Amino acid sequence: GQNIDQPTEMTATEGAIVQINCTYQTSGFNGLFWYQQHAGEAPTFLSYNVLDGLEEKGRFSSFLSRSKGYSYLLLKELQMKDSASYLCAVRSSTLTFGKGTMLLVSP
Amino acid sequence: DTGVSQDPRHKITKRGQNVTFRCDPISEHNRLYWYRQTLGQGPEFLTYFQNEAQLEKSRLLSDRFSAERPKGSFSTLEIQRTEQGDSAMYLCASSGQGAENQPQHFGDGTRLSIL
Repeated sequence: GQNIDQPTEMTATEGAIVQINCTYQTSGFNGLFWYQQHAGEAPTFLSYNVLDGLEEKGRFSSFLSRSKGYSYLLLKELQMKDSASYLCAVRSSTLTFGKGTMLLVSP
Repeated sequence: DTGVSQDPRHKITKRGQNVTFRCDPISEHNRLYWYRQTLGQGPEFLTYFQNEAQLEKSRLLSDRFSAERPKGSFSTLEIQRTEQGDSAMYLCASSGQGAENQPQHFGDGTRLSIL
């Protein structure tokens, strides 16, 4: 079966750094994706990891440890527009999403 | 690149009616996916196509759900004899063939409300 766990909610302050964790147990692994989803909008692709280590893309970085079944998304220099749900998704034969972490950025 | 387009954006119907949603993928993408998303949950995979072939349909929620992609371009998702539990956002996504790191690009979804 597939099981993906993320915190339900997180809060942070504008300009700060926040780390959103994701743990997974899946049958098969062909990569892990992070998506951002604003309320009422489509999920948009943020990052992809298939090998262990850190992938950096501007203010966003994503880390993967396959042996630990663990990933995190790191957001730096938070802005108000970063308030959204962040979805961790693991690809095996299909793409399985976690429930998402709702991030609220306050002034 | 006009993105993934879904129609309609909203659908309100009475229980027991049939509904059909349309998805137009990004033009050069040959893979097309359908998901369902309810409040507070991540998207839940339903089915996917590679060109016109439906390669995975075991996750469709019941035999009331069916999907087609007859010419390998747009796709339709039909729900027959709708039930109140079918109320959700139905998302379509597409991706190109090739490297496994190809992300899926999502449309804005069709929000279904069953009265």
